[in-house]
Amino acid sequence: AQSVSQHNHHVILSEAASLELGCNYSYGGTVNLFWYVQYPGQHLQLLLKYFSGDPLVKGIKGFEAEFIKSKFSFNLRKPSVQWSDTAEYFCAVRSSSNTGKLIFGQGTTLQVKP
Amino acid sequence: EPEVTQTPSHQVTQMGQEVILRCVPISNHLYFYWYRQILGQKVEFLVSFYNNEISEKSEIFDDQFSVERPDGSNFTLKIRSTKLEDSAMYFCASSDWERVTNEQFFGPGTRLTVL
Repeated sequence: AQSVSQHNHHVILSEAASLELGCNYSYGGTVNLFWYVQYPGQHLQLLLKYFSGDPLVKGIKGFEAEFIKSKFSFNLRKPSVQWSDTAEYFCAVRSSSNTGKLIFGQGTTLQVKP
Repeated sequence: EPEVTQTPSHQVTQMGQEVILRCVPISNHLYFYWYRQILGQKVEFLVSFYNNEISEKSEIFDDQFSVERPDGSNFTLKIRSTKLEDSAMYFCASSDWERVTNEQFFGPGTRLTVL
């Protein structure tokens, strides 16, 4: 069965620190990969996605993620976080062959201190 | 920018009662989904819906659950007889499968509390 694991449950950083959130998935076939963000009181929004091609993908608000197929990983990075990045971050996987259901990781709460 | 909306934002109900959670997907989207998140747990897939029928459902989506698209705009999730363990945040999502990007757009969620 497909599964997604996010290594960090709660991360606390100071502004301007660099961020890396880990995401590993378990699935043998071709996958599409996503990072969603949920700001306090708001709904899930897509940060970035990987379908094919360049394994380094850039998303909104300065976020990027790298797909490493051999490691089944899709880690999210940002070189310098801001207070406004405080949110919950979800990694998700979708098999490219199914009806579109997303399998989510458990989420990482990021708290950025001003 | 078009968005998915959900009503109500918070629903409190007694165990055994029926609830209907409502969603208005983005108007030109063709695929619709329900997910739920029990407090402290992962966001879990419940069901996907296309062309007026369920295309996939999870083990969670048992006979107590049903979905419907009663008109051209609403997409509903009905829980026939709620249990305490149905307390969760329920998210609706929609996507336009024809697009290569195939992003799922999520609504703000309905928090269901079963007492």
